[in-house]
Amino acid sequence: QLQLQESGPGLVQPSETLSLTCTVSGDSITRGSHYWGWIRQPPGKGLEWIGSIFYTGSTYYNPSLKSRVTISVDASMSQFFLKLTSLTAADTATYYCGRHGPYYGSGTPNNWFDPWGQGTQVTVSS
Amino acid sequence: EIVLTQSPGTLSLSPGERVTLSCRASQSVSSSYLAWYQQKPGQAPRLLVYGASRRATGIPDRFSGSGSGTDFTLTISRLEPEDFAVYYCQQYGTSLLTFGGGTKVEIK
Repeated sequence: QLQLQESGPGLVQPSETLSLTCTVSGDSITRGSHYWGWIRQPPGKGLEWIGSIFYTGSTYYNPSLKSRVTISVDASMSQFFLKLTSLTAADTATYYCGRHGPYYGSGTPNNWFDPWGQGTQVTVSS
Repeated sequence: EIVLTQSPGTLSLSPGERVTLSCRASQSVSSSYLAWYQQKPGQAPRLLVYGASRRATGIPDRFSGSGSGTDFTLTISRLEPEDFAVYYCQQYGTSLLTFGGGTKVEIK
């Protein structure tokens, strides 16, 4: 059964960098059949897509966050990562990782998310 | 950026009722690349529908999606106690993936 699990610090100082890991079990990232993404949700608010990655390292990001975001992958470890720099209180949120729908090539964007990890809460505060 | 507007913000209903949730896009969503999710308190979202009308694996048939272009609907034919939650739509027709603000379905 496919499972995704986020991990990382729960509290980060303003202006610092957030580093999160998503560990995938029950599927192989190297199978090349899916993109993998990060989504966040501020407390009491809606969902915001951050960016996504393929096992080759190909990425695409939300333009509103692109200058501060790096997503990378270690397919051999079945992990992908999120780095978000220059944190402010506005980055306080639950951060989720998720698997995209099946990838059949650039002409068929099956870019929904299923399943999701349980989420990790990140607070930006001094 | 395609902005998705969900209405209403909150619905107060009783078990057994039929509910229709709306998701309106600021521009046409190509090829009906629209998904719906359910989120319960303290849980991650769960995929219900993709491709505007295709139920995800394991989703009961009381959930159905419809629509095209800029107007999409999620219908729950008969509310079960476990269906009280927040519902989000998401479009994936562009490289900038966006979500609606959500509709909360609460017990009346």
